[in-house]
Amino acid sequence: SQQGEEDPQALSIQEGENATMNCSYKTSINNLQWYRQNSGRGLVHLILIRSNEREKHSGRLRVTLDTSKKSSSLLITASRAADTASYFCATPNNDMRFGAGTRLTVKP
Amino acid sequence: GAGVSQSPRYKVAKRGQDVALRCDPISGHVSLFWYQQALGQGPEFLTYFQNEAQLDKSGLPSDRFFAERPEGSVSTLKIQRTQQEDSAVYLCASSLSGGNQPQHFGDGTRLSIL
Repeated sequence: SQQGEEDPQALSIQEGENATMNCSYKTSINNLQWYRQNSGRGLVHLILIRSNEREKHSGRLRVTLDTSKKSSSLLITASRAADTASYFCATPNNDMRFGAGTRLTVKP
Repeated sequence: GAGVSQSPRYKVAKRGQDVALRCDPISGHVSLFWYQQALGQGPEFLTYFQNEAQLDKSGLPSDRFFAERPEGSVSTLKIQRTQQEDSAVYLCASSLSGGNQPQHFGDGTRLSIL
C-alpha cells in the first residue's frame, strides 16, 4: 500500500511559470522526501525535510511541511522544459512509501 | 560508474519461466531496496536489506518472489514461474544506512512476460 498521495495527478504549465504539487500522508513521519523521475529512468532524490522543519529551499525548489495536516508541498519556481518529469513524495519508515506521483509537463 | 547499476535493462520472458534481476548498489551503501513500478504508478516497496540481512520482505507479492544479498553488496531478485501480472519495472535503490536517508536509484529492469 502507498503512503504518500500527490495532487494533482497531472499538471501542464508554460516555461517560466511556477509549479506547485501537494502531498498528503497518513502516519507519523521522521522526514518526508521528494523525488523526480524522468521517463524510463530511476528516481532522483530532490530534497528532504525533517518533521521538525516547516520549510526548506534548494535552488528553485521550495518544500513546506505541515505535520498537523499531514501534508507537504513542492514548489518549482521559474520552471524549465527540463523540469518535465513525474514527481513523488515519499515517507520513509525503513521501507519507503511512495505516492502515485504528479506528472508535470513544462511547455517551452 | 558511481551510481546504482541494474541489469538487464530489459527482459522478455515467457509465462512460467524463471527470471533473475541484478542490482549493483553504490559501494559502501549498507541498505538496499527493491521496488516494483507499474506503468503510471509510483514505486511499490518489495523488500529491504541491511548488509546481507533481509530485514523486511513484506512487500513481496507471493512466494514466487525471492531476493538475496549474500555478501552484503550485489543483490538478485528472482521471480519463479513468472505470470503476466509480474510485468513491470523493477527498481533497485541503495542508501548509506537505514531507511530514513535519501535513496539512490538505478534505472530499473523493464520486465515483460508474454
